[in-house]
Amino acid sequence: DTAVSQTPKYLVTQMGNDKSIKCEQNLGHDTMYWYKQDSKKFLKIMFSYNNKELIINETVPNRFSPKSPDKAHLNLHINSLELGDSAVYFCASSHLGEYEQYFGPGTRLTVT
Amino acid sequence: LAKTTQPISMDSYEGQEVNITCSHNNIATNDYITWYQQFPSQGPRFIIQGYKTKVTNEVASLFIPADRKSSTLSLPRVSLSDTAVYYCLVMDSLSGGSYIPTFGRGTSLIVHP
Repeated sequence: DTAVSQTPKYLVTQMGNDKSIKCEQNLGHDTMYWYKQDSKKFLKIMFSYNNKELIINETVPNRFSPKSPDKAHLNLHINSLELGDSAVYFCASSHLGEYEQYFGPGTRLTVT
Repeated sequence: LAKTTQPISMDSYEGQEVNITCSHNNIATNDYITWYQQFPSQGPRFIIQGYKTKVTNEVASLFIPADRKSSTLSLPRVSLSDTAVYYCLVMDSLSGGSYIPTFGRGTSLIVHP
């Protein structure tokens, strides 16, 4: 019955590595998002996809590449991880234009 | 993009009404205001949205004055379980029906017994 799920929940890796975070929603939504929350709880949108098409890309380094194989999935791939990438990453979904977004449980990424 | 400012933290006691005010001076004509709640180790959860005047649902009320440069989230009779971070957001409208949600830094509400 999980609405928005993310895997993995925790991810510990070393600088320079490449990693992916997966997100899936079973709500029938057509829009999905990725957010980054830093240690001070500041939550910032990174990307938004609607029907597999990118509609928002908020000044995120090119090392971050979202991929949407279908409307229910939006994965985040990160190349050449840096210490500053350590944060909690949240996936969310909604119907296009609706302000109520459903968030996943988050993925805590720690880069050492 | 619209910027929001809200208090970093607030304290209250069980049974009291809590009002959290957010300022958004450069809100655009088409922008809506929403509030989210976040518990530790969880994703944010939608509480309420509004454009102007007053909106009420089973969880909270949202008051927006005529100039829309601020909004106040009102939580009636809080309980310990309302301890959370509350985010005020302005939804910057884009063409095609999409928007950019701009989260502030949130208000950490602690409810005491």
